[in-house]
Amino acid sequence: DSGVTQTPKHLITATGQRVTLRCSPRSGDLSVYWYQQSLDQGLQFLIQYYNGEERAKGNILERFSAQQFPDLHSELNLSSLELGDSALYFCASSANPRQGRTDTQYFGPGTRLTVL
Amino acid sequence: AQTVTQSQPEMSVQEAETVTLSCTYDTSESDYYLFWYKQPPSRQMILVIRQEAYKQQNATENRFSVNFQKAAKSFSLKISDSQLGDAAMYFCAYRNAYTGANSKLTFGKGITLSVRP
Repeated sequence: DSGVTQTPKHLITATGQRVTLRCSPRSGDLSVYWYQQSLDQGLQFLIQYYNGEERAKGNILERFSAQQFPDLHSELNLSSLELGDSALYFCASSANPRQGRTDTQYFGPGTRLTVL
Repeated sequence: AQTVTQSQPEMSVQEAETVTLSCTYDTSESDYYLFWYKQPPSRQMILVIRQEAYKQQNATENRFSVNFQKAAKSFSLKISDSQLGDAAMYFCAYRNAYTGANSKLTFGKGITLSVRP
């Protein structure tokens, strides 16, 4: 168990809908990362937050957005869903200043999104 | 931009034998981190081993060790005494050493390892 939690584990929805994926980082971690894993694109970085602020953006579509709240949990919002958005979405956390090592990312169990 | 290449899509090893998974990467930076992650059928991403580029010594974690060749930009994973539970997809990943923005992981496409009993 990495200490990173994600809900829900599975999500089935229809095209055009909007969903929210939730992530709670490891205790004390300040950074949250979102990744998408699909068969054709592999594992791709979407977005990073650090202590509530957006730090970096990757291949994130304009239909997708995220935020990190004061309690450090994060939500990834996916809207106007398309069939191609079906994928496994991972959250990872890192950067606990009390633990010294801040470079290693620990992954949650992922949310499997199926768009029908 | 950094790239990570895992050219072997699949490998197989006999239980109790040793196997080496290959990874090469491309970067213009001198300081960075390299990782191997394991993804079993449960789909959980599990950290296997971590290497700091400025350290010449190869990282070791129990049965897992790496052969880090900085000049060749090569980072292979050796699994000794392979066990059935080692069967999984293995991803090589790169991260720059900057602790602020752009500290994302860049992954290779992964290699599927099967272990024969």
